[in-house]
Amino acid sequence: DQQVKQNSPSLSVQEGRISILNCDYTNSMFDYFLWYKKYPAEGPTFLISISSIKDKNEDGRFTVFLNKSAKHLSLHIVPSQPGDSAVYFCAARRGNKLVFGAGTILRVKS
Amino acid sequence: EPEVTQTPSHQVTQMGQEVILRCVPISNHLYFYWYRQILGQKVEFLVSFYNNEISEKSEIFDDQFSVERPDGSNFTLKIRSTKLEDSAMYFCASDTQGSPYSNQPQHFGDGTRLSIL
Repeated sequence: DQQVKQNSPSLSVQEGRISILNCDYTNSMFDYFLWYKKYPAEGPTFLISISSIKDKNEDGRFTVFLNKSAKHLSLHIVPSQPGDSAVYFCAARRGNKLVFGAGTILRVKS
Repeated sequence: EPEVTQTPSHQVTQMGQEVILRCVPISNHLYFYWYRQILGQKVEFLVSFYNNEISEKSEIFDDQFSVERPDGSNFTLKIRSTKLEDSAMYFCASDTQGSPYSNQPQHFGDGTRLSIL
């Protein structure tokens, strides 16, 4: 299932700098997009989301941008902190189900 | 903060045996879900459940799988005759009003690691 793609398997960022995680999708029927964070041996933890009718949503250090014409969304974390080191999943909703990307491993170096 | 809880954290079962994975969704949530993640692969949707019936299921969710809400708090996934390829992390999730009608995120448990020998 290639409907949601996260093309960067990993990203390394210095503490205090901005982390930008990207996600592309192919299905124009998706109506809601979410970012989840996952630590080893834990389940995905909801981080932030955006409706398909918006182009930006901000929550503290986390901002999600949606470009519908490009079918692209991104998650910005600023400033990045070592505790942000985790796997980040992009997910898109269609009907009752979420379709996940493969995840990006974020490492924030102190 | 309320959370979704799953038991057991790890289940080892012989191929061909039945297994039941258990979940306690967040108490005021109405929609329940099962997902799985095979090692090295994406998280995949299995099934959604509302008002004591399946509302959507994927092609993975065949006749070997069933879900049940046996009481007011538990939500279970049963695999009738396990196969080697059923080995995966199984995640339960729930949300408040149901995805098609509201923008409420699904909240996930920590998963059950199912190992089929």
